[in-house]
Amino acid sequence: SQELEQSPQSLIVQEGKNLTINCTSSKTLYGLYWYKQKYGEGLIFLMMLQKGGEEKSHEKITAKLDEKKQQSSLHITASQPSHAGIYLCGADIGETSGSRLTFGEGTQLTVNP
Amino acid sequence: DGGITQSPKYLFRKEGQNVTLSCEQNLNHDAMYWYRQDPGQGLRLIYYSQIVNDFQKGDIAEGYSVSREKKESFPLTVTSAQKNPTAFYLCASSMGQTFNYGYTFGSGTRLTVV
Repeated sequence: SQELEQSPQSLIVQEGKNLTINCTSSKTLYGLYWYKQKYGEGLIFLMMLQKGGEEKSHEKITAKLDEKKQQSSLHITASQPSHAGIYLCGADIGETSGSRLTFGEGTQLTVNP
Repeated sequence: DGGITQSPKYLFRKEGQNVTLSCEQNLNHDAMYWYRQDPGQGLRLIYYSQIVNDFQKGDIAEGYSVSREKKESFPLTVTSAQKNPTAFYLCASSMGQTFNYGYTFGSGTRLTVV
């Protein structure tokens, strides 16, 4: 099973709607990163969360970390077509802490005008 | 500007041939990584290196080889032993411990076996 589970796998929303993507770890989280990817391109860093309860925002995107649940959520307010892409969470987890990131399967977001 | 450069962007390989993907960074990062991305499977770690002249296998190292002779360079060779090499390959680098520092990614190389 996946060490880092993302949900949903895909999401189609109408422009202007809010949405949430979740990322849940089966192992202890030491650092959680959110990235965005356009198809066929590299990953662009969005936000990093380290401490339980931490919340960060950038423009209309907010990410939170729930340390007890070992889960992070990414919330987009008033979605726009420019938000479309693949969102991936990456985490420093478990016994490999410090050396590498483990990634979720990604969430494909489509925003219809 | 500092960054990671992957080349080529597209690569075609005949079955039975080895092929090498290039990854160069000028960020002065110690650690470098190779991931493979397939539809619906996220990123899977192939190899990583935390220091020059040293590297470790990731989760799917079979059929791949790497070298780290210089801090700036971490080339990946896809050998003929890799049974299903068609995929999108991403190189990344990191400044230090991954609980403090995330990755900077290259723009990727799409490898197709013909």
